[in-house]
Amino acid sequence: KNEVEQSPQNLTAQEGEFITINCSYSVGISALHWLQQHPGGGIVSLFMLSSGKKKHGRLIATINIQEKHSSLHITASHPRDSAVYICAVSNTGNQFYFGTGTSLTVIP
Amino acid sequence: DAGVTQSPTHLIKTRGQQVTLRCSPISGHKSVSWYQQVLGQGPQFIFQYYEKEERGRGNFPDRFSARQFPNYSSELNVNALLLGDSALYLCASSLGWGTYGYTFGSGTRLTVV
Repeated sequence: KNEVEQSPQNLTAQEGEFITINCSYSVGISALHWLQQHPGGGIVSLFMLSSGKKKHGRLIATINIQEKHSSLHITASHPRDSAVYICAVSNTGNQFYFGTGTSLTVIP
Repeated sequence: DAGVTQSPTHLIKTRGQQVTLRCSPISGHKSVSWYQQVLGQGPQFIFQYYEKEERGRGNFPDRFSARQFPNYSSELNVNALLLGDSALYLCASSLGWGTYGYTFGSGTRLTVV
Protein backbone atom coordinates (compact mmCIF):
# COMPACT_ATOMS: atom_id res chain seq x y z
CA LYS A 1 0.00 0.00 0.00
CA ASN A 2 1.36 3.43 -0.93
CA GLU A 3 1.98 5.93 1.82
CA VAL A 4 0.20 8.56 -0.29
CA GLU A 5 -2.98 7.87 -2.24
CA GLN A 6 -4.55 10.28 -4.69
CA SER A 7 -7.90 10.32 -6.38
CA PRO A 8 -9.00 10.45 -9.06
CA GLN A 9 -6.15 9.12 -11.21
CA ASN A 10 -7.56 10.84 -14.29
CA LEU A 11 -9.91 13.76 -14.54
CA THR A 12 -11.46 15.50 -17.53
CA ALA A 13 -13.33 18.75 -17.02
CA GLN A 14 -14.98 21.43 -19.11
CA GLU A 15 -13.43 24.88 -19.00
CA GLY A 16 -14.88 26.84 -16.10
CA GLU A 17 -15.65 23.85 -13.91
CA PHE A 18 -14.65 23.61 -10.26
CA ILE A 19 -12.14 20.80 -9.76
CA THR A 20 -11.18 18.86 -6.65
CA ILE A 21 -8.29 16.44 -6.30
CA ASN A 22 -7.99 14.44 -3.10
CA CYS A 23 -4.97 13.09 -1.24
CA SER A 24 -4.81 10.74 1.74
CA TYR A 25 -1.66 9.74 3.56
CA SER A 26 -0.81 7.11 6.13
CA VAL A 27 2.48 8.32 7.61
CA GLY A 28 3.34 11.03 10.10
CA ILE A 29 4.22 14.19 8.28
CA SER A 30 5.80 17.55 8.87
CA ALA A 31 4.37 19.02 5.66
CA LEU A 32 2.24 18.18 2.65
CA HIS A 33 3.09 19.44 -0.81
CA TRP A 34 1.03 19.89 -3.96
CA LEU A 35 3.10 19.81 -7.14
CA GLN A 36 2.23 20.39 -10.78
CA GLN A 37 4.01 18.49 -13.53
CA HIS A 38 3.64 19.41 -17.18
CA PRO A 39 4.42 17.14 -20.15
CA GLY A 40 8.20 16.88 -20.47
CA GLY A 41 8.65 16.51 -16.75
CA GLY A 42 9.25 19.90 -15.14
CA ILE A 43 7.71 20.10 -11.68
CA VAL A 44 6.42 23.26 -10.05
CA SER A 45 5.73 23.42 -6.35
CA LEU A 46 2.24 24.86 -5.82
CA PHE A 47 1.73 24.66 -2.08
CA MET A 48 3.40 23.47 1.09
CA LEU A 49 0.96 22.98 3.97
CA SER A 50 1.23 21.88 7.55
CA SER A 51 -2.25 23.00 8.64
CA GLY A 52 -5.35 24.80 7.48
CA LYS A 53 -5.78 26.28 4.05
CA LYS A 54 -3.77 28.21 1.49
CA LYS A 55 -4.93 30.10 -1.60
CA HIS A 56 -2.98 31.24 -4.63
CA GLY A 57 -4.98 32.70 -7.45
CA ARG A 58 -7.52 30.12 -8.57
CA LEU A 59 -5.87 27.35 -6.57
CA ILE A 60 -6.86 26.44 -3.03
CA ALA A 61 -5.26 23.72 -0.89
CA THR A 62 -6.61 22.43 2.39
CA ILE A 63 -5.34 19.90 4.88
CA ASN A 64 -7.00 18.06 7.75
CA ILE A 65 -4.23 16.68 9.94
CA GLN A 66 -6.56 14.58 12.10
CA GLU A 67 -8.07 12.85 9.08
CA LYS A 68 -4.73 12.72 7.19
CA HIS A 69 -6.37 14.18 4.14
CA SER A 70 -5.76 17.09 1.80
CA SER A 71 -7.62 18.53 -1.16
CA LEU A 72 -6.51 20.71 -4.05
CA HIS A 73 -9.25 22.81 -5.61
CA ILE A 74 -9.10 24.69 -8.90
CA THR A 75 -11.80 27.28 -9.46
CA ALA A 76 -12.85 28.40 -12.95
CA SER A 77 -10.63 25.78 -14.59
CA HIS A 78 -8.82 26.64 -17.81
CA PRO A 79 -7.13 24.48 -20.47
CA ARG A 80 -3.74 25.75 -19.29
CA ASP A 81 -4.44 23.99 -15.97
CA SER A 82 -4.07 20.66 -17.81
CA ALA A 83 -1.21 18.86 -16.11
CA VAL A 84 -0.44 16.11 -13.64
CA TYR A 85 -0.99 17.16 -10.04
CA ILE A 86 1.07 15.29 -7.47
CA CYS A 87 0.56 15.16 -3.73
CA ALA A 88 3.66 14.54 -1.64
CA VAL A 89 4.35 14.43 2.08
CA SER A 90 7.57 14.97 3.95
CA ASN A 91 8.45 13.78 7.42
CA THR A 92 10.75 15.27 10.03
CA GLY A 93 13.61 13.32 8.46
CA ASN A 94 12.87 15.18 5.25
CA GLN A 95 12.05 11.96 3.42
CA PHE A 96 9.44 12.48 0.74
CA TYR A 97 6.62 10.15 -0.23
CA PHE A 98 4.80 10.91 -3.46
CA GLY A 99 1.39 10.00 -4.78
CA THR A 100 1.15 8.68 -8.32
CA GLY A 101 -0.48 11.87 -9.53
CA THR A 102 -3.80 12.97 -10.98
CA SER A 103 -3.82 13.68 -14.69
CA LEU A 104 -6.11 16.63 -15.36
CA THR A 105 -7.36 17.60 -18.81
CA VAL A 106 -9.46 20.74 -19.15
CA ILE A 107 -11.40 20.92 -22.41
CA PRO A 108 -12.19 24.32 -23.93
CA ASP B 1 17.45 34.55 -11.23
CA ALA B 2 18.19 31.04 -12.51
CA GLY B 3 16.10 28.19 -11.17
CA VAL B 4 17.32 24.69 -10.47
CA THR B 5 19.30 23.54 -13.48
CA GLN B 6 19.96 19.93 -14.39
CA SER B 7 22.25 18.49 -17.00
CA PRO B 8 22.08 16.81 -19.34
CA THR B 9 18.39 17.01 -20.26
CA HIS B 10 18.41 13.69 -22.08
CA LEU B 11 20.80 10.77 -22.01
CA ILE B 12 20.98 7.33 -23.56
CA LYS B 13 23.22 4.70 -21.99
CA THR B 14 23.83 1.00 -22.45
CA ARG B 15 23.22 -1.62 -19.77
CA GLY B 16 26.22 -1.97 -17.48
CA GLN B 17 27.49 1.55 -18.08
CA GLN B 18 27.81 4.27 -15.49
CA VAL B 19 26.13 7.66 -15.58
CA THR B 20 26.58 10.98 -13.77
CA LEU B 21 23.77 13.49 -13.54
CA ARG B 22 24.31 17.06 -12.37
CA CYS B 23 22.20 19.57 -10.50
CA SER B 24 22.81 23.23 -9.68
CA PRO B 25 20.51 24.59 -6.98
CA ILE B 26 19.00 28.03 -6.77
CA SER B 27 21.55 30.52 -5.49
CA GLY B 28 21.47 30.50 -1.69
CA HIS B 29 19.88 27.07 -1.42
CA LYS B 30 21.99 24.65 0.60
CA SER B 31 19.92 21.48 0.30
CA VAL B 32 19.57 19.29 -2.77
CA SER B 33 17.34 16.24 -3.15
CA TRP B 34 17.22 13.64 -5.91
CA TYR B 35 14.16 11.73 -7.12
CA GLN B 36 13.53 9.01 -9.68
CA GLN B 37 10.28 9.06 -11.62
CA VAL B 38 9.52 6.00 -13.68
CA LEU B 39 7.00 6.57 -16.45
CA GLY B 40 3.44 6.60 -15.12
CA GLN B 41 4.44 6.71 -11.47
CA GLY B 42 5.06 9.37 -8.88
CA PRO B 43 8.62 10.38 -8.02
CA GLN B 44 10.57 8.22 -5.56
CA PHE B 45 13.00 9.80 -3.11
CA ILE B 46 16.65 8.80 -3.65
CA PHE B 47 18.87 11.15 -1.62
CA GLN B 48 18.95 14.42 0.21
CA TYR B 49 22.08 16.43 0.91
CA TYR B 50 22.44 19.45 3.14
CA GLU B 51 25.67 21.31 3.72
CA LYS B 52 27.54 18.61 1.79
CA GLU B 53 26.35 15.83 4.07
CA GLU B 54 23.88 13.07 3.27
CA ARG B 55 20.75 13.69 5.35
CA GLY B 56 18.38 11.16 3.85
CA ARG B 57 18.41 8.09 1.63
CA GLY B 58 15.52 6.30 -0.01
CA ASN B 59 15.20 2.61 -0.76
CA PHE B 60 17.68 2.39 -3.63
CA PRO B 61 20.57 -0.03 -4.15
CA ASP B 62 24.20 0.87 -3.54
CA ARG B 63 24.63 1.36 -7.29
CA PHE B 64 23.16 4.80 -6.64
CA SER B 65 25.41 7.36 -4.99
CA ALA B 66 25.54 11.12 -4.78
CA ARG B 67 27.59 13.94 -3.42
CA GLN B 68 27.29 17.65 -2.85
CA PHE B 69 30.07 20.09 -3.58
CA PRO B 70 31.19 23.20 -1.65
CA ASN B 71 29.18 25.37 -4.05
CA TYR B 72 26.11 23.23 -3.15
CA SER B 73 25.78 21.71 -6.60
CA SER B 74 25.29 17.98 -6.63
CA GLU B 75 25.97 14.89 -8.71
CA LEU B 76 24.01 11.66 -8.81
CA ASN B 77 25.94 8.61 -9.97
CA VAL B 78 24.44 5.32 -11.04
CA ASN B 79 26.73 2.35 -11.70
CA ALA B 80 26.06 -0.87 -13.59
CA LEU B 81 22.95 0.52 -15.26
CA LEU B 82 19.91 -1.70 -15.63
CA LEU B 83 17.02 -1.29 -18.05
CA GLY B 84 14.84 -0.50 -15.04
CA ASP B 85 16.92 2.57 -14.27
CA SER B 86 15.32 4.28 -17.27
CA ALA B 87 13.43 7.18 -15.75
CA LEU B 88 13.21 10.91 -15.28
CA TYR B 89 15.65 11.98 -12.58
CA LEU B 90 14.56 15.10 -10.78
CA CYS B 91 16.56 17.38 -8.55
CA ALA B 92 15.04 19.80 -6.07
CA SER B 93 16.69 22.45 -3.95
CA SER B 94 15.63 24.20 -0.78
CA LEU B 95 17.06 26.76 1.60
CA GLY B 96 17.62 24.35 4.42
CA TRP B 97 16.96 20.95 5.90
CA GLY B 98 13.49 20.65 7.33
CA THR B 99 10.17 22.08 6.35
CA TYR B 100 11.23 24.45 3.60
CA GLY B 101 9.73 25.00 0.20
CA TYR B 102 11.29 23.07 -2.63
CA THR B 103 12.02 24.14 -6.20
CA PHE B 104 12.34 21.39 -8.77
CA GLY B 105 14.47 21.25 -11.88
CA SER B 106 13.12 20.04 -15.22
CA GLY B 107 14.85 16.72 -14.86
CA THR B 108 17.20 14.47 -16.79
CA ARG B 109 15.55 11.78 -18.85
CA LEU B 110 17.75 8.69 -18.80
CA THR B 111 17.12 5.85 -21.21
CA VAL B 112 19.02 2.61 -20.72
CA VAL B 113 19.12 0.32 -23.74
